[in-house]
Amino acid sequence: KAGVTQTPRYLIKTRGQQVTLSCSPISGHRSVSWYQQTPGQGLQFLFEYFSETQRNKGNFPGRFSGRQFSNSRSEMNVSTLELGDSALYLCASSRTDRVTEAFFGQGTRLTVV
Amino acid sequence: GIQVEQSPPDLILQEGANSTLRCNFSDSVNNLQWFHQNPWGQLINLFYIPSGTKQNGRLSATTVATERYSLLYISSSQTTDSGVYFCAVPHYTGANSKLTFGKGITLSVRP
Repeated sequence: KAGVTQTPRYLIKTRGQQVTLSCSPISGHRSVSWYQQTPGQGLQFLFEYFSETQRNKGNFPGRFSGRQFSNSRSEMNVSTLELGDSALYLCASSRTDRVTEAFFGQGTRLTVV
Repeated sequence: GIQVEQSPPDLILQEGANSTLRCNFSDSVNNLQWFHQNPWGQLINLFYIPSGTKQNGRLSATTVATERYSLLYISSSQTTDSGVYFCAVPHYTGANSKLTFGKGITLSVRP
């Protein structure tokens, strides 16, 4: 059974650009959550999606957005990138909308220069 | 929201030693997970343990939900055990849920 797949693994972008990250959950899992990890702030919740609906959003500016498709795959987008957006972005999938056991992908490491 | 504290923040062990990592949480929880973050950043599931004790090889975990803590035991540590260990608990607000993580415990196992 394939795990959670995130693409791309690494990205380097310039300030002001935008970026789209992708996450394919485990087959049969309908909930996808996104987390940002930085050395200073640790692991912080970004969003949660279930059945194509954003169920929950963390305390991040509107430049951070996301969506979920009918096949449960999810994308997150960051517009007008800032240096502080450099981080490891992790995606997790769960079977249901109530977080039970969460499984994480390998992450996308974004560097903004 | 719920607070999660892990201790100690850093741990250095000699290969073969045993260790105990602690996770305290501020409110009652329905479940708790322990993860090991590998050098490439991926969070590897170790235990999903709402309560009681589970064992997997050299690792075991105990959650005492009524006292709001969980312990991760590593026996006969190996250099490959090095990395950061996180515990995480779900936080529910109505129909919404998210995981709240501790700050992690950095374990270094020296040969």
